[in-house]
Amino acid sequence: DSGVTQTPKHLITATGQRVTLRCSPRSGDLSVYWYQQSLDQGLQFLIQYYNGEERAKGNILERFSAQQFPDLHSELNLSSLELGDSALYFCASSDGGRGTDTQYFGPGTRLTVL
Amino acid sequence: DAKTTQPPSMDCAEGRAANLPCNHSTISGNEYVYWYRQIHSQGPQYIIHGLKNNETNEMASLIITEDRKSSTLILPHATLRDTAVYYCIVRAYNNNDMRFGAGTRLTVKP
Repeated sequence: DSGVTQTPKHLITATGQRVTLRCSPRSGDLSVYWYQQSLDQGLQFLIQYYNGEERAKGNILERFSAQQFPDLHSELNLSSLELGDSALYFCASSDGGRGTDTQYFGPGTRLTVL
Repeated sequence: DAKTTQPPSMDCAEGRAANLPCNHSTISGNEYVYWYRQIHSQGPQYIIHGLKNNETNEMASLIITEDRKSSTLILPHATLRDTAVYYCIVRAYNNNDMRFGAGTRLTVKP
């Protein structure tokens, strides 16, 4: 158990819909990262937040957005969903550079778009 | 562009040491070598990381060559539960961009 929690575990929805994935980082961690893992793309970095502010962007689509709240939990919003958005979405957290800055991953949310 | 090269798959007998190689010939002086593993579709699990010295923790040992162009992750006594995909990643300290390649699928056999 990494200490990072994600909800829901599974999500099934239809094309064109919008969903929100939630992540709670390890206690004391200030940075949250979002990754997407699909069968043909492997693990891809999407976006990072540090203490409520966006820190870096990776391969995140414009239809996707994220935020980090004052209590440091984060949400990833996916809209206008397409079949190709079906994937595992992982959240990771780290201390934000005050220590080793090692990223610890949550169990993931499996999104299925029908 | 994962900056590392790993064999796609390896087998290991249960109870024996598993030695997983990684080539990172273009590594920069400020980049660390990180190892993670992913068991089935679970979240990647941190194993170990190092800069230039060999490192050991309760899970594994990391041997980095003197020129830092390659490294080996050693699981000293592999068990069936160590069957997973192992990822070798090079990353500058505090660099948010962790690039996972295809990894090595390690199968531990009875």
